Amino acid sequence: AQRVTQPEKLLSVFKGAPVELKCNYSYSGSPELFWYVQYSRQRLQLLLRHISRESIKGFTADLNKGETSFHLKKPFAQEEDSAMYYCARLKKNSNSGYALNFGKGTSLLVTP
Amino acid sequence: KAGVTQTPRYLIKTRGQQVTLSCSPISGHRSVSWYQQTPGQGLQFLFEYFSETQRNKGNFPGRFSGRQFSNSRSEMNVSTLELGDSALYLCASCSGYQETQYFGPGTRLLVL
Repeated sequence: AQRVTQPEKLLSVFKGAPVELKCNYSYSGSPELFWYVQYSRQRLQLLLRHISRESIKGFTADLNKGETSFHLKKPFAQEEDSAMYYCARLKKNSNSGYALNFGKGTSLLVTP
Repeated sequence: KAGVTQTPRYLIKTRGQQVTLSCSPISGHRSVSWYQQTPGQGLQFLFEYFSETQRNKGNFPGRFSGRQFSNSRSEMNVSTLELGDSALYLCASCSGYQETQYFGPGTRLLVL
């Protein structure tokens, strides 16, 4: 099974501190990985996709194939970053069908 | 473009009943996926449809079924409801050729 592991259920940091949300995946070929974010009372939305290699809202994520990790980082956390963060891996089957395999999520709390 | 919409937003049913949830994808998107979100199991993939054909299916019992119409709108049906089916059901759409999925606000189902 292609597992996605987010080891921290809850991460609390102070405003202005660096933040790193961990994501590890089970090795299998070339992974397509995503970070999704869910702010309070809002829908799940895409934050980052690894192949785009862009920075959104100051967040970056680097794929490390050696460590099978895709950690999400931001140098200076803001209070508005408080949300639930999900790491997900795209699975494709023989019918070209898609499915996102999600980690359990990490709740990030940024306190003033 | 309008985002993914889901109806109804909230639903209360009793055990043994059946329920139908609806999803309208982003205009032009031909792939629709369904996910179940619960506090215990997190986000789990149910199935994916593309051009009215089921392309992928998760590990859910046969009580969970879906379909897609020619306008790409999708419905999912749960028959013989159980208490454990209480969850937030999310629909996501993508073009079908590019893998980024966009999520709807969800339908919250409570089974009593």
